[in-house]
Parts: sequence; structure tokens; C-alpha cells
Amino acid sequence: AQKVTQAQTEISVVEKEDVTLDCVYETRDTTYYLFWYKQPPSGELVFLIRRNSFDEQNEISGRYSWNFQKSTSSFNFTITASQVVDSAVYFCALSGWYSGGGADGLTFGKGTHLIIQP
Amino acid sequence: DVKVTQSSRYLVKRTGEKVFLECVQDMDHENMFWYRQDPGLGLRLIYFSYDVKMKEKGDIPEGYSVSREKKERFSLILESASTNQTSMYLCASRGTGDEQYFGPGTRLTVT
Repeated sequence: AQKVTQAQTEISVVEKEDVTLDCVYETRDTTYYLFWYKQPPSGELVFLIRRNSFDEQNEISGRYSWNFQKSTSSFNFTITASQVVDSAVYFCALSGWYSGGGADGLTFGKGTHLIIQP
Repeated sequence: DVKVTQSSRYLVKRTGEKVFLECVQDMDHENMFWYRQDPGLGLRLIYFSYDVKMKEKGDIPEGYSVSREKKERFSLILESASTNQTSMYLCASRGTGDEQYFGPGTRLTVT
């Protein structure tokens, strides 16, 4: 069975601080995908990034960066110089490999509520 | 841009009613998914479909069924709604890059 753990239920920081959201996963699959989604107060889930299990290269996109480490089964997400607009619930998710090709349904963590105070 | 739409943002039904939640995507994706989101539990997979007339159970299929008669449309059916099915229901469509795009959600209240 797959499992995703986001131990931080809520994080509150002051604007311009850096913040890291932790994600630890469990799977028996050798091929799998990891995702991060953002859910702002409007409620719609916004896709941020996808990583497959063969690609441990870290990624940076503007103020966002992701650190994937298979050795510790972690896929952490860092926001640099946080802004009020970053306030949202962030979900880490995991999927296996569907025999027909591509990612299977997602197993989500319970989310981290990030509050950026002005 | 990928567009996933859901028939209603808010829905109120009575216990025992048959409920249909509709989802439509406009990107010719083969794969579609239904999740429910509950406070403290996160999102959980109910059912998914890899092709027309194909369906697979997710983690919590009990009390639900699905229908996929056309590629662009995936329906979630509550045969006899119960109060424990009060939840936010999210539909998703999977693209070629393997990311899942989500609809705006339907908040269902069963009284």
C-alpha cells in the first residue's frame, strides 16, 4: 500500500521568510511519480510539479524549489522569500505505474496549511 | 489550457436520493478520476477510468458507482445518498505529461 505523510499540519511565517514543506512517502513500486499541488482559498487544486522515481534531480522554478531524495523517501518543497499570495494548502501526492502506461490514481498526504503573514 | 468542468459547485440532496455528479474534460484525455476531500483526511480516490466503458475501484468505492459512456464525460453516482457522503467531490483528468488536472469541485450536502 502507498502512503504519503505531511507531518506539518500548519505553518505560519512572516512574509519574505523561506519555508520548507516536508513530504515523506512509502511505496513498494520501483517506478512511481511524485506530485505537489496547491489549493488556494478558492478551492481549486493547482498542479505545481511532477517527478518520476528515476529522476532525482532537484528542480527550481522561480521562488519554488523541490528536493527529491530516494534514500530518505522524501520530496520536500521550499518557497524562498514567501509572499502573502503563497498562502494555501499544499498537498504532496504519489502514484504508481499503470500497466497501460503512465501514472495511476493519486495517493495524497493530508496537506500542509501555509499561512504567510504580511 | 486544460479545462475540467463539474456540473455543480454546490448541491443539497436528501438521504436516500440518487445523485449524479458530472465531470467533463475538453482535452481528449483517456484517464479520468473521482476523489472526495474531507477535513483531516485529505483527498481520497473513489473511482477512475482508463477508457470509455472502463472503470477501476479506488480506495473508497463503497456506496458509489461510475459511468463513462463518452471519452470526455465521467459521472459519479450515489445510488442512495447518505449523510456520511457529505463532502467535496473533485474530478480530475490526466494529461500526456501524467499530471492530473482538477475541476473546481462539487460541495455535496446530504441532509
